[in-house]
Amino acid sequence: DAGVTQSPTHLIKTRGQQVTLRCSPKSGHDTVSWYQQALGQGPQFIFQYYEEEERQRGNFPDRFSGHQFPNYSSELNVNALLLGDSALYLCASSLISDPRSPLHFGNGTRLTVT
Amino acid sequence: GDSVTQMEGPVTLSEEAFLTINCTYTATGYPSLFWYVQYPGEGLQLLLKATKADDKGSNKGFEATYRKETTSFHLEKGSVQVSDSAVYFCALSSGNTPLVFGKGTRLSVIA
Repeated sequence: DAGVTQSPTHLIKTRGQQVTLRCSPKSGHDTVSWYQQALGQGPQFIFQYYEEEERQRGNFPDRFSGHQFPNYSSELNVNALLLGDSALYLCASSLISDPRSPLHFGNGTRLTVT
Repeated sequence: GDSVTQMEGPVTLSEEAFLTINCTYTATGYPSLFWYVQYPGEGLQLLLKATKADDKGSNKGFEATYRKETTSFHLEKGSVQVSDSAVYFCALSSGNTPLVFGKGTRLSVIA
C-alpha cells in the first residue's frame, strides 16, 4: 500500500520563476492538503483540495495555486518565486468522510530559491 | 484563532533519560490533539493522538494525556533511545479545520 508520494524531492529555482510540485495521495484517500514548512518552523497550511476544488485556504498569496485531478493527485504551483518561498513543501492526504482520522504526510519537496 | 505553543528546543538527553516536551493549546470548541515526529530528511509521521478530554494517546513508549483543564498535551517517554532523535510537533484540529502545528522541538539523544 503506497503512502503519499511527492516529486521532485529537491528543486532549485531562481527568483521570479515558476514551480510545480506534485503529490499522489495514499491509496483510498480523496483529499489533499499542502503545507509549507520553513526552516526551524512548524508546517503552515496552504490549501486543501477535494473533488478537484479548493475547499479551504490558509494565509498565502494568490501566487500559490493548486489543482486536483480526477485520480485525486494534486499539484502545487507557485508563481513569481521569492527568496522567502524557500521551504519544505509537504503534501498530506486524508479521507473526507472521516475528518477525525489523521493526515498522512509525504516526505516533502525541498524548494530552494536563489 | 487556534494556536499551539510548545517548549523550545533543542533538548539534549542521555540514553535512558526521561523525556517531557510541553505543549499547550488555544482553541474554540473541543479539538483533537496530535503529536507528529519528523526524522531527518523525512516528512511528518503521526506519533499519537487524543480526541477528547482525559484521553491518553500512546505509541512506541511515548504517551500524552489530553488535559482540558490546563489546555495541555505534554509528550512523555520514560526511557529515550538514540533512535528517538527527531523533531516533535504538537498539533490540533477542530473538526474539519486544517491542522495547526507548534514550531517543533528538536530532541537529540546521546549514547
